[in-house]
Amino acid sequence: ETGVTQSPTHLIKTRGQQVTLRCSSQSGHNTVSWYQQALGQGPQFIFQYYREEENGRGNFPPRFSGLQFPNYSSELNVNALELDDSALYLCASKEYEDYGYTFGSGTRLTVV
Amino acid sequence: GEDVEQSLFLSVREGDSSVINCTYTDSSSTYLYWYKQEPGAGLQLLTYIFSNMDMKQDQRLTVLLNKKDKHLSLRIADTQTGDSAIYFCAESTRNTDKLIFGTGTRLQVFP
Repeated sequence: ETGVTQSPTHLIKTRGQQVTLRCSSQSGHNTVSWYQQALGQGPQFIFQYYREEENGRGNFPPRFSGLQFPNYSSELNVNALELDDSALYLCASKEYEDYGYTFGSGTRLTVV
Repeated sequence: GEDVEQSLFLSVREGDSSVINCTYTDSSSTYLYWYKQEPGAGLQLLTYIFSNMDMKQDQRLTVLLNKKDKHLSLRIADTQTGDSAIYFCAESTRNTDKLIFGTGTRLQVFP
């Protein structure tokens, strides 16, 4: 499988709920990062996983958490959703030695 | 600190050259990237340059890096309507793979 696939494409949640976003990377991509892109802004780094362990985190609270699985899939979980969490969430993956990430098309999350 | 700045908007005529500029503040930046984002889509890596290079050319794309001024530019030759998109400059450092993005430049190409 080539490319990075994210699901769902769109999601509407209520404030206080929890959400899980999913990402499927191409075979061999052992490094995955998640980004939050608010409307009209550049993507902001949330965290990165390498071989199923978190190895870098941006300025996001602990209610943002993640998992990476051996089959090159990963998840972003957000608890206690806030209105400001409304954004496009992007998954990006690569082989550890590569320079450039391959991005998915994103999940558009709306919190009401 | 980490900060990447870009102008917000650029409008060019089809067939002309486009130049998108970016400035960054982190002197330890090792790699600098240009990504393209079309409406409703993710980010597409266009090109990247190492901090020890001054220029890189890839078909219609030319990247210039002035490390002294921390200035990066992307020139698109013979701009086409299909080039209309938002272009993001991004940096990363040797110690981390995380990308620091600018706010993006919206390129509009008119006939």
